[in-house]
Amino acid sequence: DARVTQTPRDKVTEMGQEVTMRCQPILGHNTVFWYRQTMMQGLELLAYFRNRAPLDDSGMPKDRFSAEMPDATLATLKIQPSEPRDSAVYFCASGLELDRDGYGYTFGSGTRLTVV
Amino acid sequence: TQLLEQSPQFLSIQEGENLTVYCNSSSVFSSLQWYRQEPGEGPVLLVTVVTGGEVKKLKRLTFQFGDARKDSSLHITAAQPGDTGLYLCAGDRRYSTLTFGKGTMLLVSP
Repeated sequence: DARVTQTPRDKVTEMGQEVTMRCQPILGHNTVFWYRQTMMQGLELLAYFRNRAPLDDSGMPKDRFSAEMPDATLATLKIQPSEPRDSAVYFCASGLELDRDGYGYTFGSGTRLTVV
Repeated sequence: TQLLEQSPQFLSIQEGENLTVYCNSSSVFSSLQWYRQEPGEGPVLLVTVVTGGEVKKLKRLTFQFGDARKDSSLHITAAQPGDTGLYLCAGDRRYSTLTFGKGTMLLVSP
């Protein structure tokens, strides 16, 4: 089965450090999302790309977060500087444009970030 | 303000029981998706409903999209321990953007 690969699976870092999370979307998928999941807020959309172009990053704190797709096989999410409130599980998802058959999106297994 | 409200938030039942979980909104969606998430993993798509009033069945799971395309339900017949997980609904209001509810945590005990 095709999979979305996220690295690292777990990351513990100290406050103020830079964190980079990586995602390899499924080959051929043209849409990539970054979500953050916490118990309190659930899944929150941070950013999404179509054909590598950023379409919406309104859910992302611009002063410390940045998302890029340097090529079709790699999406990155960076936090600099990291803060304890950034502790969460970060998911990448990829997919094709929705149609009536409803392909939906495929999620990676997530990066669990802990900022101490 | 949560765009999608899911209820109940938590459900603990015995194997063999039936259950229904709900996903409600005041907004109209072009489609609605249901996902199941297990601990330590990402959500996995179960189904997408697109047409108002649409009913889809996936083995023991029945999904329904409201006539007005504002709400949806998931009914599980004869629940099994393998059904345990977090059930998430997600609405598509703009092309290729999803908004998730907070989910219903289902625990099915043997």
